Amino acid sequence: DAGITQSPRHKVTETGTPVTLRCHQTENHRYMYWYRQDPGHGLRLIHYSYGVKDTDKGEVSDGYSVSRSKTEDFLLTLESATSSQTSVYFCAISESERGYSGELFFGEGSRLTVL
Amino acid sequence: SQELEQSPQSLIVQEGKNLTINCTSSKTLYGLYWYKQKYGEGLIFLMMLQKGGEEKSHEKITAKLDEKKQQSSLHITASQPSHAGIYLCGADPTGANSKLTFGKGITLSVRP
Repeated sequence: DAGITQSPRHKVTETGTPVTLRCHQTENHRYMYWYRQDPGHGLRLIHYSYGVKDTDKGEVSDGYSVSRSKTEDFLLTLESATSSQTSVYFCAISESERGYSGELFFGEGSRLTVL
Repeated sequence: SQELEQSPQSLIVQEGKNLTINCTSSKTLYGLYWYKQKYGEGLIFLMMLQKGGEEKSHEKITAKLDEKKQQSSLHITASQPSHAGIYLCGADPTGANSKLTFGKGITLSVRP
């Protein structure tokens, strides 16, 4: 059990409001990821982290920021939410003892609706 | 950037039938990963293929990697309703061993 918890699981917000999604892991895995999943686009990488305060952009990072001040938490922030950011957001971790493995473990997802 | 093309987009099969789905990369593959997703849930890792010609099986699911064609196929034998879901392939776009990008997924329905 990778012990990944995403919060909130569901959120409805209005355009222009800030939103933060949290991904929490119960172990000390180094690599954490935020993806969004949309019909017709599949799963796309937003940002990822390879350690505390070490983050990098994915393929759809515009409009999103991330922070990782502790190993166990990876936060995704939408500074000013737009309707195009309505999506299901998945957090994932790489559980390899070597640091990275393509065998990722996913959270259950956070469904965000921006009105 | 690397693109992973999955085909067909969706598939409906009768229970007990065999099926094959494909994942083709626009660039060199540095490992290919298959995942399955049930509706409303997160992805679950199925298999990883790293070498050309490699073939792996898990229960009734077999995946193969053709490195020259930059393609992987996933074959399900005697499909069951439990096989229904979305199948996604993922690959490391740079070979830097740090992240995965995914195809759009194939939706599989299995009729009893």
